[in-house]
Amino acid sequence: EVQLEESGGTLVQPGGSLRVSCAASGFTFRSFEMNWVRQAPGKGLEWVSYISTRGNTIYYADSVKGRFTISRDNAKNSVSLQMNSLRAEDTAVYYCARGGEKGWELDHWGQGTLVTVSS
Amino acid sequence: EVVLTQSPDFQSGTPKEKVIITCRASQSIGSSLHWYQQKPDQSPKLLIKYASQSISGVPSRFSGSGSGTDFTLTISGLEAEDAAAYYCHQSGNLPWTFGQGTKVEIK
Repeated sequence: EVQLEESGGTLVQPGGSLRVSCAASGFTFRSFEMNWVRQAPGKGLEWVSYISTRGNTIYYADSVKGRFTISRDNAKNSVSLQMNSLRAEDTAVYYCARGGEKGWELDHWGQGTLVTVSS
Repeated sequence: EVVLTQSPDFQSGTPKEKVIITCRASQSIGSSLHWYQQKPDQSPKLLIKYASQSISGVPSRFSGSGSGTDFTLTISGLEAEDAAAYYCHQSGNLPWTFGQGTKVEIK
């Protein structure tokens, strides 16, 4: 069974930094692209970032470009999102999501981790 | 950026009713359109990929159609467990984007 488990969400002050991670199990992690998607409280879904199987292709939403960094460790079956210069508008549940067969559909999602940016 | 506009924002239906949700893209995205269901306090679940391809384990009452800029998600016979928010998502052009969501309520 595919499982994705996010961790690291917490309360952080504006301008601060935080790293959230996602532990994967139940599938050959190194063979699948991974993504981060976020959802502000009571709002819709927003794609944040993508990383290819070997980590050599990375994309970001404009709203986080230059502040967030996605990475993966295929030996540890994990993907992370380093978030710097956090703003109130970054407050959201952050989901990691696996890319499907073609990489572009999001076929499995974790339960999410809540990041709150507030003073 | 490709803007996805879903309609309606809210839909209320009775059991066994047919429900259609539309998703319109601001530019052509081919068939790179996917649908997700999100129940309250749960993470999203993939329902349909590439506009019309079914997903293993998803009930057959869910179907999708369309290409280019106009897409539909059809629930052929609404059931109580279908109460949820539904989102379309395009992967045809970066940045990937989602529709604003359609909330479906069961009367």
